[in-house]
Amino acid sequence: GQNIDQPTEMTATEGAIVQINCTYQTSGFNGLFWYQQHAGEAPTFLSYNVLDGLEEKGRFSSFLSRSKGYSYLLLKELQMKDSASYLCAALQGGGSYIPTFGRGTSLIVHP
Amino acid sequence: DVKVTQSSRYLVKRTGEKVFLECVQDMDHENMFWYRQDPGLGLRLIYFSYDVKMKEKGDIPEGYSVSREKKERFSLILESASTNQTSMYLCASSSPGVSGNTIYFGEGSWLTVV
Repeated sequence: GQNIDQPTEMTATEGAIVQINCTYQTSGFNGLFWYQQHAGEAPTFLSYNVLDGLEEKGRFSSFLSRSKGYSYLLLKELQMKDSASYLCAALQGGGSYIPTFGRGTSLIVHP
Repeated sequence: DVKVTQSSRYLVKRTGEKVFLECVQDMDHENMFWYRQDPGLGLRLIYFSYDVKMKEKGDIPEGYSVSREKKERFSLILESASTNQTSMYLCASSSPGVSGNTIYFGEGSWLTVV
């Protein structure tokens, strides 16, 4: 089976940095996704990591440690529009193309 | 850009009605999915399809069926809608080898069963 854990809610201040953690346990592993979802909207793709290390994409970075079953999403220079739910999803190994999603972390950015 | 289009954004249906949710993707993706999303429960997979006329049950298939007659179209059917099927339904598609099978979502369909 698979298990994805991430915090339910986080708050941060505009302009700050926030790190959203995700731990996973899967039967094999074939990559980890991060999605952003604003209220009432569909999830949008942010990042995909399959190798260990940090991948930076503008204000957003994603990190993966396969040996620890751990990932984080780092958001810098927070803006009010970053208030959203952030979903972590892991792909099982064995050629699976179906990710298992965590329940999402609701990020609230305050002025 | 990948575009996944869900035909209905908001629907209100009566208990016992048959409901069709349509989804079309324009990127020739092999895989298509139907999820429902409920507060506190996250995204749950209902059905998926990896080819035309092929379908597989996800985690919560009870009360639903699907149809995939053409590669670009994947329909979700509620044979007899019930109030516990009130939810947001998300269609998605992906393709092997495309960004690690990244799933692309449609805009979502909000279904209320009264």
